[in-house]
Formats: sequence, C-alpha cells, structure tokens
Amino acid sequence: AQTVTQSQPEMSVQEAETVTLSCTYDTSESDYYLFWYKQPPSRQMILVIRQEAYKQQNATENRFSVNFQKAAKSFSLKISDSQLGDAAMYFCAYRSVNEKLTFGTGTRLTIIP
Amino acid sequence: DVKVTQSSRYLVKRTGEKVFLECVQDMDHENMFWYRQDPGLGLRLIYFSYDVKMKEKGDIPEGYSVSREKKERFSLILESASTNQTSMYLCASSSGLAGVGTGELFFGEGSRLTVL
Repeated sequence: AQTVTQSQPEMSVQEAETVTLSCTYDTSESDYYLFWYKQPPSRQMILVIRQEAYKQQNATENRFSVNFQKAAKSFSLKISDSQLGDAAMYFCAYRSVNEKLTFGTGTRLTIIP
Repeated sequence: DVKVTQSSRYLVKRTGEKVFLECVQDMDHENMFWYRQDPGLGLRLIYFSYDVKMKEKGDIPEGYSVSREKKERFSLILESASTNQTSMYLCASSSGLAGVGTGELFFGEGSRLTVL
C-alpha cells in the first residue's frame, strides 16, 4: 500500500513570509496524482493544488506552488506572502490511477502576525 | 459550487447506541466517501461508494456500515457506538468513474462525534 509522510506536525511563519511544507510518498507506480488539501479551523477541507506525475512542470496556483521531485518521491508545498487566512491544517495526498486517495497525517500551519 | 452537507456538526451518544451520520451532495457526483479524522493519524477511509446501492470497504471499516439508496445521499451507520469511535467524520464526493480522473474530493464540514 502507498504511504504518505508529512514529517512536520506543526509549522509557523511570519505574515508575509514564505513557508514550505514537506511531503514524501512511497509508490512503485509511474502514473499518479498528488494533492495538497487545506482544512481551516472549523471549516471544510478544500483542494489547494494538484500535480500530475507525468508533468515535469511544477504546479502553481497564485501564492501556492509545489516542488515535485519524482525521483526523490517528494512533493513540498510553498506558500509565498503568507496571510492570516492561510492558517490551517494542510494534508498531502496521493492517488494512483484506479485507487483511493491516501492522506498524510497533516501539518498545522500557524501564521504569526 | 459543489456542496456537501453533513446533517450534524456535533453529536454526543452513549456507548451501545446506534448512530446515523447523513451526507448529501448536490452535484450529481457518482462517488461518495466517509473518512475518519484523528489527530496524528490524518484521514482514514472507512467506506466509499461509486454508485447507488454499491459500497466498498476502505481501510478501517470495522464497526461501521453504510447505505446509499439515492445517488445524492450516503449514510454512515455505527450499529453499536463505542468510545473508540469518538472522532471527526468527514464525508466527501467526487465526479467520474471510481478511480478515474483527477480525484479531487469535495468535503463536507465534518461531524464531530463523542461517544460516552
């Protein structure tokens, strides 16, 4: 079974600074998808960014970008110009074709004003 | 926008009670999921369904059952609640055939269940 590891249970960053959340995964597949989900306090979990493994270019969504290192099986999330609204639990997730989503254990991000 | 609605945000039940958690989605999604979220463990899949009256076990199905009589509704049932089922329960849905597509999930707000 695939595993997803988030080694940072908690992170904090000053407002307007940049922070990187780490994620590694274990798989023998060559074709798969990777996701970062955000869960704000007492609110719904939402998709932040998605990366297809066959794409070499790193995905970017406004202030959110990823560093996808396929050979190293690493998928980190970079948040630039951090804002108070970025405070949340962030979950990394993996999915290969025809399989279920596997989530990491999450990283709680605190934004320091 | 996709909306996934979970009927109860907070529930408190007694050990041995039967518990129903209801989830409704309004985007005609084929796939629906029930997850359990616990600190330090992330999200773990309990059951999922890719069609009406179809269900598949996830990673931790023991102690749970599900029902999907209509496409928009997916219910999680705890036949006899136990204290170790105290948790946050998240419902999610996605479009497309099971296992096909980008796999984006749309989540409800969660149901926090406490079993005393």
